[in-house]
Amino acid sequence: SQQGEEDPQALSIQEGENATMNCSYKTSINNLQWYRQNSGRGLVHLILIRSNEREKHSGRLRVTLDTSKKSSSLLITASRAADTASYFCATARWGGGADGLTFGKGTHLIIQP
Amino acid sequence: DAGVIQSPRHEVTEMGQEVTLRCKPISGHNSLFWYRQTMMRGLELLIYFNNNVPIDDSGMPEDRFSAKMPNASFSTLKIQPSEPRDSAVYFCASNMDSDNEQFFGPGTRLTVL
Repeated sequence: SQQGEEDPQALSIQEGENATMNCSYKTSINNLQWYRQNSGRGLVHLILIRSNEREKHSGRLRVTLDTSKKSSSLLITASRAADTASYFCATARWGGGADGLTFGKGTHLIIQP
Repeated sequence: DAGVIQSPRHEVTEMGQEVTLRCKPISGHNSLFWYRQTMMRGLELLIYFNNNVPIDDSGMPEDRFSAKMPNASFSTLKIQPSEPRDSAVYFCASNMDSDNEQFFGPGTRLTVL
């Protein structure tokens, strides 16, 4: 079953604008990760935030985590056409690499040039 | 490094046939994961291995599905007999069990007619 639920399901913005995607989950977690999937391709890891962290940055990416609300957000600043992709949040229960991920259904982001 | 390698990339078969999907993880990684992606159910964890041992197969849909990892550099996912509802993209991913990030292969697109 899908634990994570992203919203919006689809988002279309102009190049240069910021894109914000949200994710909710249901059970306790060790960490939450965001992945990107370009059409017809495998997933690529973007950023990870641990359950004891509230905010993390990586380049143009900013992720927040609110464990009391069981929610996370991914912000992409100064969007580019190459950011067009689907974005998924994924939760890990135990941490450590030997732990399967539970994915949300994703947000499809379209950056209009 | 070549990344996670999956074969075949596309498979079209008829209902009732046996299907075998193959995965070669990144050298040195000791955890391997099989996921399935469909429009209806999103990305689902099927099974994962650590040091070639199956750790959690609770996501395997039914007895028609089986997975093996005979050595650290090879895994198979077998469906016998296949059904149209098995049509999906099947992803293999790997990582080190000291690292939460997972590295995904390009996927195998399976169509069962």
